[in-house]
Amino acid sequence: GPKVLQIPSHQIIDMGQMVTLNCDPVSNHLYFYWYKQILGQQMEFLVNFYNGKVMEKSKLFKDQFSVERPDGSYFTLKIQPTALEDSAVYFCASSPLGYEQYFGPGTRLTVL
Amino acid sequence: SQLAEENPWALSVHEGESVTVNCSYKTSITALQWYRQKSGEGPAQLILIRSNEREKRNGRLRATLDTSSQSSSLSITATRCEDTAVYFCAPLTNSAGNKLTFGIGTRVLVRP
Repeated sequence: GPKVLQIPSHQIIDMGQMVTLNCDPVSNHLYFYWYKQILGQQMEFLVNFYNGKVMEKSKLFKDQFSVERPDGSYFTLKIQPTALEDSAVYFCASSPLGYEQYFGPGTRLTVL
Repeated sequence: SQLAEENPWALSVHEGESVTVNCSYKTSITALQWYRQKSGEGPAQLILIRSNEREKRNGRLRATLDTSSQSSSLSITATRCEDTAVYFCAPLTNSAGNKLTFGIGTRVLVRP
């Protein structure tokens, strides 16, 4: 079936540094999402993105977070600066019409 | 607050047995999706059942929907070890680009 790829699979960085998480969505999909899952907890919505714009963001989507998809390339989540509480697995998803979502395998981010 | 809640929290069955996961939701929906998340992976959609449907099948999976009681169930027959996962229901409301709101899910363990 359609696959969403996420790069890297793991990232370890020092608190205060910037990190960019990359998502390669399913081609021709129009809606893009980021979710955050802390170990042992439920997955939580961060942001969705359509037609080059953020449609909705949750309270977890702090000012230090930003998303973009320049020229139809990777859909990225940038965190600058990072904090300890940003340690989690971040899942990207894409959807053709905004209903069924296809998830990537996640990027495990560890902030030291 | 959560839009949906799965129960029970966990289930354990032997291979070949059937298992049923239940879901109660709190909002008016256009459809409801069931997702499965295996350890170390992102969620994968299993079934989407629309609000005007009462039952939907997909191979060994059967979903039911009762909009009057705002509940749904997902049954898996002839379970296999690879069905071991966390199962989530996700209501869809009347807006494209729907974010998914996950509960804590039901942990299903299928033993050999």
